[in-house]
Amino acid sequence: AQSVTQLGSHVSVSEGALVLLRCNYSSSVPPYLFWYVQYPNQGLQLLLKYTTGATLVKGINGFEAEFKKSETSFHLTKPSAHMSDAAEYFCAVSRNDMRFGAGTRLTVKP
Amino acid sequence: DTAVSQTPKYLVTQMGNDKSIKCEQNLGHDTMYWYKQDSKKFLKIMFSYNNKELIINETVPNRFSPKSPDKAHLNLHINSLELGDSAVYFCASSPGIPAGAPQHFGDGTRLSIL
Repeated sequence: AQSVTQLGSHVSVSEGALVLLRCNYSSSVPPYLFWYVQYPNQGLQLLLKYTTGATLVKGINGFEAEFKKSETSFHLTKPSAHMSDAAEYFCAVSRNDMRFGAGTRLTVKP
Repeated sequence: DTAVSQTPKYLVTQMGNDKSIKCEQNLGHDTMYWYKQDSKKFLKIMFSYNNKELIINETVPNRFSPKSPDKAHLNLHINSLELGDSAVYFCASSPGIPAGAPQHFGDGTRLSIL
């Protein structure tokens, strides 16, 4: 069985501050890991994914995530938040099917 | 040109009615999915089809019946709608079953039951 846990249903940062969204996974086999973003009234868009190889993965919009097997984590970061980053973020793990975390709402204050 | 398109975008109807949501993808993908997102944004898979064959069927009431006339289309029919069916339903597609393939999502259908 596989699952993901996103720590913090709501994260608030100031514009220009570091963004850190936490994700821990549980998987009995090497996982494939994803981060998706959902803007209001839209579907999910892929930010980045980890399958194999380099553990630091760069995605769109300046986001990156690091796969840490020892910590079973795949946290999402961005050095400097922008107002347009305000959205719902979902971590997902995939093997036979894709399982999503409960989501983290990111708010960016001016 | 929208990759995964769902219609309608909004659906408001009375309890007990039957309704359908259509989904089409023009990405040439083999696998399509239906998800339900509740008011707390929790996303749960309902069904998955690969080349018109059902491969995932979660514990969904049998009032929900997916139909895939071809691999580019996956429609969702719901009978005897209930208040608890109010949610946003997302269609998605991926190149295939291989687990590393990301899914592409439609913009959702917001279903409201009166």
